[in-house]
Amino acid sequence: AQSVTQLGSHVSVSEGALVLLRCNYSSSVPPYLFWYVQYPNQGLQLLLKYTSAATLVKGINGFEAEFKKSETSFHLTKPSAHMSDAAEYFCAVMRRGGGSNYKLTFGKGTLLTVNP
Amino acid sequence: DTAVSQTPKYLVTQMGNDKSIKCEQNLGHDTMYWYKQDSKKFLKIMFSYNNKELIINETVPNRFSPKSPDKAHLNLHINSLELGDSAVYFCASSPGQGVPHRPYGYTFGSGTRLTVV
Repeated sequence: AQSVTQLGSHVSVSEGALVLLRCNYSSSVPPYLFWYVQYPNQGLQLLLKYTSAATLVKGINGFEAEFKKSETSFHLTKPSAHMSDAAEYFCAVMRRGGGSNYKLTFGKGTLLTVNP
Repeated sequence: DTAVSQTPKYLVTQMGNDKSIKCEQNLGHDTMYWYKQDSKKFLKIMFSYNNKELIINETVPNRFSPKSPDKAHLNLHINSLELGDSAVYFCASSPGQGVPHRPYGYTFGSGTRLTVV
């Protein structure tokens, strides 16, 4: 069964520093992978998605992620953190939910805090 | 104009009560979902409907009953509420649920925070 593991439940960076949020997937076939962001008391917003078209995926708000099959990873990065990036980040994989149906399955999330 | 809207945003109720949460999407999507987010932020799918037909039903107590009157609406009714039902419930939608719709991801509502006292 396809799943994702997010390493680190909490990541803290200084404003202007590199953001690196880790996600590893387990899959026997190339998966569809996503990163979502959840700001406090809000719903989830899609940051970016990997659909096998390109290994380096650019998303909104300056985030990008690189699909590395050899490492089964899909880490999220941003060169320079802003205070407004503070939020919970979820890696997710599309997996079969039964028959020909699919469902989005989430990792446990990583809380990003940005220090001034 | 909100794409996926849920009502109410907050719901505080006593144990044993019955309550409903409503969800509507104006994206023209065929598939809708209910997710539960617990106090540790873990998100778990509960149900999925495709064009009013139930297609995913995870291991959820029978007290939870989804209803989809049309493909733009998916409501969640909960009977005999328990303390453990306290969570944030998210509705979501997507263009479809099988190939070739998998890459689209879901559009989420802003959530309903349910507190059972």
